[in-house]
Amino acid sequence: GESVGLHLPTLSVQEGDNSIINCAYSNSASDYFIWYKQESGKGPQFIIDIRSNMDKRQGQRVTVLLNKTVKHLSLQIAATQPGDSAVYFCAEIRNSGNTPLVFGKGTRLSVIA
Amino acid sequence: DADVTQTPRNRITKTGKRIMLECSQTKGHDRMYWYRQDPGLGLQLIYYSFDVKDINKGEISDGYSVSRQAQAKFSLSLESAIPNQTALYFCATSDSGGPWFFGQGTRLTVV
Repeated sequence: GESVGLHLPTLSVQEGDNSIINCAYSNSASDYFIWYKQESGKGPQFIIDIRSNMDKRQGQRVTVLLNKTVKHLSLQIAATQPGDSAVYFCAEIRNSGNTPLVFGKGTRLSVIA
Repeated sequence: DADVTQTPRNRITKTGKRIMLECSQTKGHDRMYWYRQDPGLGLQLIYYSFDVKDINKGEISDGYSVSRQAQAKFSLSLESAIPNQTALYFCATSDSGGPWFFGQGTRLTVV
């Protein structure tokens, strides 16, 4: 079936190291992808997005890579900090936003000080 | 995101009671959504609305209803609450082709 999923449910990294969170999607019609960060007890917070006509997009300390050939998305966080500890969700949008966001189950990132 | 406000933030209600969760936004977006999140899981779509006269069912609409009172307001109702509706509920908004922005959530407990 169609799904957005994650390779790893948990990820632990040392403070200062880089983090890479992966996501797989199966619908080639998906044309827009978003990464969200959710801290305990809070709503999902937009981090970065990428459209299907791009392979890479950079933000502040974050980079999203999109590999359409293998339907894979990753979020790279540089110099991971304790405040980065949270659950990270990838989400896909199909048909240019005319169908609702489909979320993966999330990856919990734990930063070890 | 303070631009999307949900009320109440926490609610405990009894089985069989009717309850309404409210959402308002100041982002000027046409599209609004209600999601449910169970512990350790992702978000599941309950209902969504692309404009004031548009209402659509999501993955898990059974037991829920919605009302889009204005562009800025979208409420979710549980007509007769049951314990397995205990969850975190999130409202979100977007414009066409843009990212979704979420409220801080409503923690609902049905006893």
